[in-house]
Amino acid sequence: QKEVEQNSGPLSVPEGAIASLNCTYSDRGSQSFFWYRQYSGKSPELIMFIYSNGDKEDGRFTAQLNKASQYVSLLIRDSQPSDSATYLCAVKQAGTALIFGKGTTLSVSS
Amino acid sequence: EAQVTQNPRYLITVTGKKLTVTCSQNMNHEYMSWYRQDPGLGLRQIYYSMNVEVTDKGDVPEGYKVSRKEKRNFPLILESPSPNQTSLYFCASSRPSTSSGANVLTFGAGSRLTVL
Repeated sequence: QKEVEQNSGPLSVPEGAIASLNCTYSDRGSQSFFWYRQYSGKSPELIMFIYSNGDKEDGRFTAQLNKASQYVSLLIRDSQPSDSATYLCAVKQAGTALIFGKGTTLSVSS
Repeated sequence: EAQVTQNPRYLITVTGKKLTVTCSQNMNHEYMSWYRQDPGLGLRQIYYSMNVEVTDKGDVPEGYKVSRKEKRNFPLILESPSPNQTSLYFCASSRPSTSSGANVLTFGAGSRLTVL
């Protein structure tokens, strides 16, 4: 059974701090990795995706991938109260469906 | 506007009364999928479709049916709903895995279903 694991949280950080969200996956053949943000009662929306080992930056967000250790992380710099949401990690292997983790709830206090 | 449209957004029904949740996308996406989301269980895939007339089971297909007669539409059918199908349902679509931006799912707004 392919698995994607996330700490459910809540992860609480003060405004302006760096929030670090982690995700591990079981299938070594996984090829692409996604981070979605979901506000309560709303649909998931893509933050970013990453295919290659290393870091990928987009504004205040940085995704980090380490295939050898089978983890992917999301860093949010200068966290804002509007970043408070559930963050879903999703992993895909070629030819299979996207598998979602259960999500980590982030709370940013002002 | 590129979007995935689901209807109804909210529905309360009774056990055994057949219902259909419609899903339509205007992005010419080949891939479409249905998920249900329950507290503590995350997003779980019900069914997916790689293209017209091609559908396959996801992780939790029991009690559901789908069809893909047209590229833009992917309805979810509950032939005899039961209370354990009370959930928040999302339809999503994406381009095929061989193109750039592949597997970036666009989600509908969600359909909250309650079965009494």
